[in-house]
Amino acid sequence: DAGVIQSPRHEVTEMGQEVTLRCKPISGHDYLFWYRQTMMRGLELLIYFNNNVPIDDSGMPEDRFSAKMPNASFSNLKIQPSEPRDSAVYFCASLSYFSSSYNEQFFGPGTRLTVL
Amino acid sequence: TQLLEQSPQFLSIQEGENLTVYCNSSSVFSSLQWYRQEPGEGPVLLVTVVTGGEVKKLKRLTFQFGDARKDSSLHITAAQPGDTGLYLCAGAHGYGGATNKLIFGTGTLLAVQP
Repeated sequence: DAGVIQSPRHEVTEMGQEVTLRCKPISGHDYLFWYRQTMMRGLELLIYFNNNVPIDDSGMPEDRFSAKMPNASFSNLKIQPSEPRDSAVYFCASLSYFSSSYNEQFFGPGTRLTVL
Repeated sequence: TQLLEQSPQFLSIQEGENLTVYCNSSSVFSSLQWYRQEPGEGPVLLVTVVTGGEVKKLKRLTFQFGDARKDSSLHITAAQPGDTGLYLCAGAHGYGGATNKLIFGTGTLLAVQP
């Protein structure tokens, strides 16, 4: 399996622009997570889905952030409008609840977002 | 609110030295995981501990879950340059599907010099 795939790997945009980050989870995994990592705040959970349904979005910073999972093989995270404080590395991770490893999350390589 | 504090934040040691990283919380966790993250990549799971007092070994790495399930430690024996990376602990509350929601620690950045 190719692992969790994220695109783009790097995104540079200007303040006020819409940003879309994409994630393809590992085939067969039923959980998908979006995280944000910064030096100041570490790795924070933004939202997670189970079987394409959002379960907990309490970590989403504000209404400018939204995430969808239209099917089992794709999710996107949108920021509109983007602000410089959104600059961070965004990770997507997936998990198979019924796998042999105890709730192991598999992370993608991340998208480094810079908002100027 | 950061519930999992790791110490030290940064550690630079010479190859062959031993080290211990700590992960502490005031909360009780049903399980705790340790991940390692290398530059430009996502975290990769090293181990999961679920029982208070549990000790797990992974080659030169020894992981322990505190008796009260509020803290954990990672000990590396004879560190090697390949051990360099960001070490993250992550705790879960509850059972079943709830354990999939992880709270990550503040991280320990380890550099092992050859």
